[in-house]
Amino acid sequence: DQQVKQNSPSLSVQEGRISILNCDYTNSMFDYFLWYKKYPAEGPTFLISISSIKDKNEDGRFTVFLNKSAKHLSLHIVPSQPGDSAVYFCAASARGSQGNLIFGKGTKLSVKP
Amino acid sequence: ETGVTQTPRHLVMGMTNKKSLKCEQHLGHNAMYWYKQSAKKPLELMFVYSLEERVENNSVPSRFSPECPNSSHLFLHLHTLQPEDSALYLCASSRYTGQGFYNEQFFGPGTRLTVL
Repeated sequence: DQQVKQNSPSLSVQEGRISILNCDYTNSMFDYFLWYKKYPAEGPTFLISISSIKDKNEDGRFTVFLNKSAKHLSLHIVPSQPGDSAVYFCAASARGSQGNLIFGKGTKLSVKP
Repeated sequence: ETGVTQTPRHLVMGMTNKKSLKCEQHLGHNAMYWYKQSAKKPLELMFVYSLEERVENNSVPSRFSPECPNSSHLFLHLHTLQPEDSALYLCASSRYTGQGFYNEQFFGPGTRLTVL
């Protein structure tokens, strides 16, 4: 059973608008959450993370929101740019798990000019 | 070189071959990981080395054998693989900061493996 779920395999957004990528998790022991971006033929690139003691973390155009009661996190990209087109992975880990990241299946974001 | 590098980038091997994948990190990290990414599946953790000791082995078949000679280098030795082992193999590294906490992982570009 998947512990980290990204239910939207793809998302298409117009340039300049907001992109919202969603992620749900089932394991209440998770206390550290990350978003990665992946281009074809490259490894995932770390974007932004959030600890379970926070509900929001912002870095430039990227903001991650965490709703622990709903076991849900989201990544907001504002404004979206064509270069943001990639596959976005949500990942989670629990303290004491040796940094074991559990990944979702990814959401392919397409930002159209 | 910067970041995490992996060689080779592509590998084709027969089921009776023996080959090795190499990973090197230039970030001063003290934990390294092997992941497998198969088509339409999430990344799956295979092995974790923390402070040069193997601390995780996620029920990986013995035909995959990791080696971590120092904190900067990680190998994955392959022998008698099956066609279903064809996948993208990714290496990552991170910093263990103590008390069970690890920082974010940085990934290499991966090795695309095809087993004939």
